[in-house]
Amino acid sequence: GEDVEQSLFLSVREGDSSVINCTYTDSSSTYLYWYKQEPGAGLQLLTYIFSNMDMKQDQRLTVLLNKKDKHLSLRIADTQTGDSAIYFCAESPLGGYQKVTFGTGTKLQVIP
Amino acid sequence: ETGVTQTPRHLVMGMTNKKSLKCEQHLGHNAMYWYKQSAKKPLELMFVYNFKEQTENNSVPSRFSPECPNSSHLFLHLHTLQPEDSALYLCASSQDRGGNEKLFFGSGTQLSVL
Repeated sequence: GEDVEQSLFLSVREGDSSVINCTYTDSSSTYLYWYKQEPGAGLQLLTYIFSNMDMKQDQRLTVLLNKKDKHLSLRIADTQTGDSAIYFCAESPLGGYQKVTFGTGTKLQVIP
Repeated sequence: ETGVTQTPRHLVMGMTNKKSLKCEQHLGHNAMYWYKQSAKKPLELMFVYNFKEQTENNSVPSRFSPECPNSSHLFLHLHTLQPEDSALYLCASSQDRGGNEKLFFGSGTQLSVL
């Protein structure tokens, strides 16, 4: 089946940029997503990118997609303590609402 | 306030108990999902319902039994669970647009099986 892989942990200092990486295997992936999970809460959609794009920026968030290498990254500029959470990468094929595949999540720790 | 509400937030049960998890969505979506979240593992899709009809069952053991009486409510009935079933169970909903499926999650039920 499809796989989405992420490193489990990332630690950054407050004010620095964070870069969370993800690789996926499904070449038919059409939409790629980043979700955030804060302690004691469910996942919240942060941003997404369509596969015909290679970059999307939304305030402090920048998503980069390298479709050839099947690599997705999320950059958080000026990381704040409130950004401490688990970040999940996910992908789905076109029309694949049943087929969203998630990674393991990357726990981001922001050091004051 | 989340549009997807799950109860209870925490549940401790013995292996011989029967319990149910409840999920309600107030977003007018037509698809609802159960996911299992275990530490250091990807989220596992368990069941999908679209317009109350089950459209996906990812080889889930029969000790987990879903029920979807209408598009706003989803239950997960639990019976004779095993300790390895201890996990966070997340409910989600989406509006099936045949494309970009944004999932809206509840806060989950943290289940401990003793």
